[in-house]
Amino acid sequence: NAGVTQTPKFQVLKTGQSMTLQCAQDMNHEYMSWYRQDPGMGLRLIHYSVGAGITDQGEVPNGYNVSRSTTEDFPLRLLSAAPSQTSVYFCASSYSGKETQYFGPGTRLLVL
Amino acid sequence: EDQVTQSPEALRLQEGESSSLNCSYTVSGLRGLFWYRQDPGKGPEFLFTLYSAGEEKEKERLKATLTKKESFLHITAPKPEDSATYLCAVQGARSYNTDKLIFGTGTRLQVFP
Repeated sequence: NAGVTQTPKFQVLKTGQSMTLQCAQDMNHEYMSWYRQDPGMGLRLIHYSVGAGITDQGEVPNGYNVSRSTTEDFPLRLLSAAPSQTSVYFCASSYSGKETQYFGPGTRLLVL
Repeated sequence: EDQVTQSPEALRLQEGESSSLNCSYTVSGLRGLFWYRQDPGKGPEFLFTLYSAGEEKEKERLKATLTKKESFLHITAPKPEDSATYLCAVQGARSYNTDKLIFGTGTRLQVFP
């Protein structure tokens, strides 16, 4: 099992550009989520999904969109990048969100 | 509001010098407390889940304990490869419907030979 994979590892964007961060898992997990990690702050939940076709907002959803068309994939879209979205983004998954969540390696995003 | 505070922010240990990391939490109805290890440039790696006060779990040189207000991660005779940031997270009744984890800011541990 590859576990949770994320691409790209690193990305530089200009303000206003859009992009999609990819996340995939091969553990047949129903629950998937996106967190961002900023210096001096704990990881914060952006969006989550309890299964294919079902998504909902987390703590800091503004500026981000998600969709879940398959169990395996949970992409995160930045609609119009802003410098405040410079961060490290982690995708996580679990059988149900109430069990241990396993994290991917992260995507480091810099918005200029 | 659910909250997690970890201390110290940073800890430097000599190889073999045992110590403890603290995770204090305020949560309405604890459902689970999670410890993760994070190496630089990597994602959090799961270590332990604790569900109720009095519970303890061990893995190699690490032992996690839980009370009603805090959790400790005890590191016995650490080695340089134990150097990492250790993250604590809780899931409470208020966040149970979103399955959100509330994270602390972590303790950065450095172990010197």
